[in-house]
Amino acid sequence: SQQGEEDPQALSIQEGENATMNCSYKTSINNLQWYRQNSGRGLVHLILIRSNEREKHSGRLRVTLDTSKKSSSLLITASRAADTASYFCATALEGSARQLTFGSGTQLTVLP
Amino acid sequence: GAGVSQSPRYKVAKRGQDVALRCDPISGHVSLFWYQQALGQGPEFLTYFQNEAQLDKSGLPSDRFFAERPEGSVSTLKIQRTQQEDSAVYLCASSSSGRNSNQPQHFGDGTRLSIL
Repeated sequence: SQQGEEDPQALSIQEGENATMNCSYKTSINNLQWYRQNSGRGLVHLILIRSNEREKHSGRLRVTLDTSKKSSSLLITASRAADTASYFCATALEGSARQLTFGSGTQLTVLP
Repeated sequence: GAGVSQSPRYKVAKRGQDVALRCDPISGHVSLFWYQQALGQGPEFLTYFQNEAQLDKSGLPSDRFFAERPEGSVSTLKIQRTQQEDSAVYLCASSSSGRNSNQPQHFGDGTRLSIL
């Protein structure tokens, strides 16, 4: 079963625009991570935010975490065609073993 | 290469056959994970190894699924008497830390399994 849900399921934007994806989860977490997956490939780690952090930046990526609402958002600024991929949030549950629990993903298409 | 390597990339088998999927993690990585990804969905956890010890196999869907990592490096996921619902992409991931979940997981490109 999936822990999280991403919203929207699909997003199509023009190159240069910003893209925002949201993730909600159900149980207490140790951290939340965002991954990107290009078609037919494995997942690539983008950014990790711990449960005691509220915002984190990495290059053109900005992630926020609201543990009271059990939600996170990923913002990609100045998008490029190469950003076209599926984006997944994944949670490491509090007190659990080491596996990640993934959401169902957002398919982002950036049009040139 | 320095990444996680999985083989084969594609596997087609007839229903009822046994299959074996291989994962070579990043050298020195303590933790190894197997996930199953259905089309259009996020990966779902199958099992976790810390070195050679299988610490969690709660995600394995049935006793037809078996995983091993005998020397704490290469891992094999075996599926016996395959069924059509086993068709999916099987992803392997490794992580440098055994105790700390605040480390990213590094994924291979997966094995796409199709059961006819």
